[in-house]
Amino acid sequence: EADIYQTPRYLVIGTGKKITLECSQTMGHDKMYWYQQDPGMELHLIHYSYGVNSTEKGDLSSESTVSRIRTEHFPLTLESARPSHTSQYLCASSVPGLAINEQFFGPGTRLTVL
Amino acid sequence: AQSVTQLGSHVSVSEGALVLLRCNYSSSVPPYLFWYVQYPNQGLQLLLKYTTGATLVKGINGFEAEFKKSETSFHLTKPSAHMSDAAEYFCAVSQGGSQGNLIFGKGTKLSVKP
Repeated sequence: EADIYQTPRYLVIGTGKKITLECSQTMGHDKMYWYQQDPGMELHLIHYSYGVNSTEKGDLSSESTVSRIRTEHFPLTLESARPSHTSQYLCASSVPGLAINEQFFGPGTRLTVL
Repeated sequence: AQSVTQLGSHVSVSEGALVLLRCNYSSSVPPYLFWYVQYPNQGLQLLLKYTTGATLVKGINGFEAEFKKSETSFHLTKPSAHMSDAAEYFCAVSQGGSQGNLIFGKGTKLSVKP
């Protein structure tokens, strides 16, 4: 079944740790996105990718980095986690080459940095 | 540039009452419009979308929305609210073009009272 997956779903970690949030999709989509969302708040686009070896920064500045080595995989990394990084992170993908840009979302990772 | 305004960050209705969530957009080109729903600790799920053609769009769970170009609106309605409709609802407009992204509103939290 075509879907988009995120792991872990929940992560509690101490300050200074390096973390990687995983996102994978089996829909064959070229374009993928990362959003940051504080509880009950709007979505902020932090990274996106048009395809393999493409990464772009979004509207909200973020200390995280992303990579796109394989079409289906778009991990997000924080080199040194801080309490200000506590948030929900949502991954999405969209059908390539269409103007509509309809996006499909994963279940999210809720990150808490102590 | 495109933008989305959702009127009312919080809407409360009684079970069985009409649900009306407001969305206004600005776009320099014919828009593609979306409504997404987000349940607690989950990602976003597409409710419905407007691309072209019929201006009244029916979605899942009994929701529908009407595209009104003259009013630049895309309000979401449901004739009779159910307790399970309690969630956060996001309106979005596509920037258009295969290189564009979605612009999201700030969201409206819907509460349903028994």
